[in-house]
Amino acid sequence: DAMVIQNPRYQVTQFGKPVTLSCSQTLNHNVMYWYQQKSSQAPKLLFHYYDKDFNNEADTPDNFQSRRPNTSFCFLDIRSPGLGDAAMYLCATSRGVAGTAYNEQFFGPGTRLTVL
Amino acid sequence: AQSVSQHNHHVILSEAASLELGCNYSYGGTVNLFWYVQYPGQHLQLLLKYFSGDPLVKGIKGFEAEFIKSKFSFNLRKPSVQWSDTAEYFCAVKTNAGKSTFGDGTTLTVKP
Repeated sequence: DAMVIQNPRYQVTQFGKPVTLSCSQTLNHNVMYWYQQKSSQAPKLLFHYYDKDFNNEADTPDNFQSRRPNTSFCFLDIRSPGLGDAAMYLCATSRGVAGTAYNEQFFGPGTRLTVL
Repeated sequence: AQSVSQHNHHVILSEAASLELGCNYSYGGTVNLFWYVQYPGQHLQLLLKYFSGDPLVKGIKGFEAEFIKSKFSFNLRKPSVQWSDTAEYFCAVKTNAGKSTFGDGTTLTVKP
């Protein structure tokens, strides 16, 4: 089945130690998103790629970076994780952005990040 | 900046009761509206969406939602809930600029 895959499902890192979360998709969608979701809160969009075009949200901290080397893969790099970065990180894809009929998002299972 | 407000943080119903979850958004332009559901232990998945046309949209598992533009609302309804509807429900708005905003979610517990 076509899907959005996130690895690992659980990640533990140390305060200040860089960490990379991985997302891959078999849907061949143009757009890939990264969200941060803290307990009992809404998923918060960090950034998204439309093909190779990177779109950062204005309030996304500089500590968060992303790479999309090809259509299938997208990475979230947290350069110096702090205790406040502990959260569930969700990857999602869509065929196109808003304004088209193909803008629903397909979500992966998430990676739960713990910062010690 | 757009925002999404879900009025109920936690709703508890008995099976066969009717459900309505409120969602209001603030944004002056054209939006696409979504309800996503997250069942326990599973990932977010689309329940239904409004893009254009008939403001009453039907989704999976007997859910429907009505877009009322004048009220900036997109409430989710189901006439008779089942125990298997226990989940967290998120309303989301997407603008033509591509920005996606989620509400804080409503946890629905259906008692058998």
